[in-house]
Amino acid sequence: DTGVSQDPRHKITKRGQNVTFRCDPISEHNRLYWYRQTLGQGPEFLTYFQNEAQLEKSRLLSDRFSAERPKGSFSTLEIQRTEQGDSAMYLCASGLREAYNEQFFGPGTRLTVL
Amino acid sequence: AQSVTQLDSQVPVFEEAPVELRCNYSSSVSVYLFWYVQYPNQGLQLLLKYLSGSTLVKGINGFEAEFNKSQTSFHLRKPSVHISDTAEYFCAVSDRSNTGKLIFGQGTTLQVKP
Repeated sequence: DTGVSQDPRHKITKRGQNVTFRCDPISEHNRLYWYRQTLGQGPEFLTYFQNEAQLEKSRLLSDRFSAERPKGSFSTLEIQRTEQGDSAMYLCASGLREAYNEQFFGPGTRLTVL
Repeated sequence: AQSVTQLDSQVPVFEEAPVELRCNYSSSVSVYLFWYVQYPNQGLQLLLKYLSGSTLVKGINGFEAEFNKSQTSFHLRKPSVHISDTAEYFCAVSDRSNTGKLIFGQGTTLQVKP
């Protein structure tokens, strides 16, 4: 399967702990997006990369959140000092700059902060 | 800035009946429009998109949507639903800059009953 993959699929952590999620996009895709989806809501944009450059960050992305895409391939999203309000599904999507209106989504990582 | 409103949070319908899921958007600029479907514990899958041209757009699984610029709507329709169509449906917009960033509605749960 050559779709977008995310790891882990589920993460349970205690408040105050740090967590890191990984996203592997479709191999030839130069764009990578992160979204957050809380229960009963639609996904909300967090940030996106073109190759290794982070081009835009939402105001939702507080200082506790950091995302990287070091070699323009996989990406990581780290949350420091997790809070209960961080509990959500974190979705990754990838696409091509040349076809920027089509994104392919991964299955998501569900984070539960106790 | 753009916003999306999905007018129904839940739509119950019997199998083989027609269905319409409503979506209205607000934007000061021209937008692209999308419908995505999300099955339980899965990522989002693109159903269809409107970029330009014909206002009636056909997608996968027998779905279609009509773009109405004067009413700023993009309602999703299917003439005959199946049990397997039970899922969460999201309407989304993106502006015509090349970021590809998606703004989603709150989602509509389609419940198909036998």
